[in-house]
Amino acid sequence: DAGVIQSPRHEVTEMGQEVTLRCKPISGHDYLFWYRQTMMRGLELLIYFNNNVPIDDSGMPEDRFSAKMPNASFSTLKIQPSEPRDSAVYFCASRLAVYNEQFFGPGTRLTVL
Amino acid sequence: GENVEQHPSTLSVQEGDSAVIKCTYSDSASNYFPWYKQELGKRPQLIIDIRSNVGEKKDQRIAVTLNKTAKHFSLHITETQPEDSAVYFCAASNRDDKIIFGKGTRLHILP
Repeated sequence: DAGVIQSPRHEVTEMGQEVTLRCKPISGHDYLFWYRQTMMRGLELLIYFNNNVPIDDSGMPEDRFSAKMPNASFSTLKIQPSEPRDSAVYFCASRLAVYNEQFFGPGTRLTVL
Repeated sequence: GENVEQHPSTLSVQEGDSAVIKCTYSDSASNYFPWYKQELGKRPQLIIDIRSNVGEKKDQRIAVTLNKTAKHFSLHITETQPEDSAVYFCAASNRDDKIIFGKGTRLHILP
């Protein structure tokens, strides 16, 4: 298995533009998590899904952020409109229900100018 | 909700010495405590974890201890090596499956 796959790996955009981050979890995993990492705030959980259903989105910073999981092998995190303070590394992670270990993807480094 | 505090934020130790990172959590229902290591520019990876029915767990040079009464848990690295330089995150999880991470400790191993 290739592990969790994220795309793009790097994204540079201008303030006000829409940004879409993509994630493919490990095949067969039941849970998918989206995190944001910054120096100031550390690793923050934004939202997580269980069997494609959003369970907890209390970490989503505001209405500009939305996430979907249309099927078991794909999820998106969308920011519209983007702002400079959204600049961060965004990680996707997945896990099996019977095990607690989360496997992280390589991350997407987002820079909003 | 759960809150995880981690100390210190930065730690420098001489190669060969031991390093200790400490965490506290707030939710007494938390029952799973993983530790993740993140090397520069890489993804976090699980290095060791402990459950609330166990007080201590060891894996070669790494050990974790848990004090449920005090809601403290710690990571101990012995005989530190240059490749131990990284950011270490503690975390706690309760029955609703989400993991809450501490802010991280940047560990520097000095030659």
